[in-house]
Amino acid sequence: DVKVTQSSRYLVKRTGEKVFLECVQDMDHENMFWYRQDPGLGLRLIYFSYDVKMKEKGDIPEGYSVSREKKERFSLILESASTNQTSMYLCASIVPPGTEAFFGQGTRLTVV
Amino acid sequence: AQSVTQPDIHITVSEGASLELRCNYSYGATPYLFWYVQSPGQGLQLLLKYFSGDTLVQGIKGFEAEFQRSQSAFYLRIPSVHWSDAAEYFCAVASGDSSYKLIFGSGTRLLVRP
Repeated sequence: DVKVTQSSRYLVKRTGEKVFLECVQDMDHENMFWYRQDPGLGLRLIYFSYDVKMKEKGDIPEGYSVSREKKERFSLILESASTNQTSMYLCASIVPPGTEAFFGQGTRLTVV
Repeated sequence: AQSVTQPDIHITVSEGASLELRCNYSYGATPYLFWYVQSPGQGLQLLLKYFSGDTLVQGIKGFEAEFQRSQSAFYLRIPSVHWSDAAEYFCAVASGDSSYKLIFGSGTRLLVRP
C-alpha cells in the first residue's frame, strides 16, 4: 500500500514562528501536493510539485513556500505563521494522469 | 484557470431516497474528474473517476457518476441513500499535462434522516 506520512498530527505554534510541515511518501511518486482544508471551503491547493526541485503555486500560495530536495519528501514552510493559517493541512501524492491521490493523515495546525 | 464548483453546501435526505450531487468545472479541455468522500474524522476516499469513454461510470459502494460534456458537469448519483453515506463529498478535477494539477471543490455535506 502507498503510504503518505505527515510528520505531525497536531501542532501548536506562536504567531511569527517559522513552521515546517513535512510529508514523506514511499511509492516513488513524482507528483506531490499540499492542501489546506477549512470548513465550507473544501481543499484548497497551496503548492504542488511534479519533480525534485520543481514546484508550482497553487491557488493560495501567499504566506507559504515549499521545498522538494528529494523525490519522497515535500515540505511546506510557513515563513512567519499567522492566526489565519490555523487549519488542517493535507499532503497528497499521485501518479498521473488519473490514479487515486493518496493522502497523509493531516496536520491540524493552530497558530496562537 | 481551472475551477471546480459544487453548488450545494448541505443536502439532507431521508434514508432510502435517491440523490444527485452536482459538480461543475471550468477547464479548456476535458479534464480528469473524480469524486471523493470524507467521513467524519476520516481521510479522503476515492469513489470513482472519469477519464474518457463511456460517460456513465461505476464506483465503489454502488455509487455512479455521469459526465455531461455540454454542461461541463460531473454528477454523482446515489441510488438509495444509507445512513452510513452521511459524509462530505468532494468533486476534483485534474489537468493532464506535465505539471499535473489536482484541485477540489468546496464539498457537499450530506445529512441522512432516519
